[in-house]
Amino acid sequence: DVKVTQSSRYLVKRTGEKVFLECVQDMDHENMFWYRQDPGLGLRLIYFSYDVKMKEKGDIPEGYSVSREKKERFSLILESASTNQTSMYLCASSRDSPYEQYFGPGTRLTVT
Amino acid sequence: GEDVEQSLFLSVREGDSSVINCTYTDSSSTYLYWYKQEPGAGLQLLTYIFSNMDMKQDQRLTVLLNKKDKHLSLRIADTQTGDSAIYFCAESIGDGGSQGNLIFGKGTKLSVKP
Repeated sequence: DVKVTQSSRYLVKRTGEKVFLECVQDMDHENMFWYRQDPGLGLRLIYFSYDVKMKEKGDIPEGYSVSREKKERFSLILESASTNQTSMYLCASSRDSPYEQYFGPGTRLTVT
Repeated sequence: GEDVEQSLFLSVREGDSSVINCTYTDSSSTYLYWYKQEPGAGLQLLTYIFSNMDMKQDQRLTVLLNKKDKHLSLRIADTQTGDSAIYFCAESIGDGGSQGNLIFGKGTKLSVKP
């Protein structure tokens, strides 16, 4: 059965802290994605990766970085958390064609 | 650029059929998808359809694709209260190196009244 896990369901951090969100998939998928989801704005792509050590910017990469050292793991890093990064963060993975993405349960991050 | 549009809300009575509609802009999309999101959870893939198909049926779910009008619909037969959720339509980006990327609509909130 397909499985994507995220390190935390809920996280509360202070402004200026460095925050790590981890995502692990057990499906040997090549592609991994990080989104944030905000009311009224839908899903917005932050970063994606098509291979180990490879990363590409999505639509809103500012304030974020990523790391993919192993195929199954894709980490999202908030270098210096700010209150406007309070959001629901969703990780997804997919194989090539038909590219269907499988999502983790999400991490609700609150930055105070 | 690519865009996916959905109506924001739909309300139906338990036992009725629900039809959620979606329009997309990228005529070169290879696949179109439907996802379901329950409160506080991630997105769950319901089904997807290849762009050369008109229809796909999977138990209570029927997907219809009108490629000429770039219109996709999801019909849920015998809708139950457990079907209450937000439903997202998505399309694959048709060309270039970002073929694995999907464009999502903003979601349709389905409310099922007993």
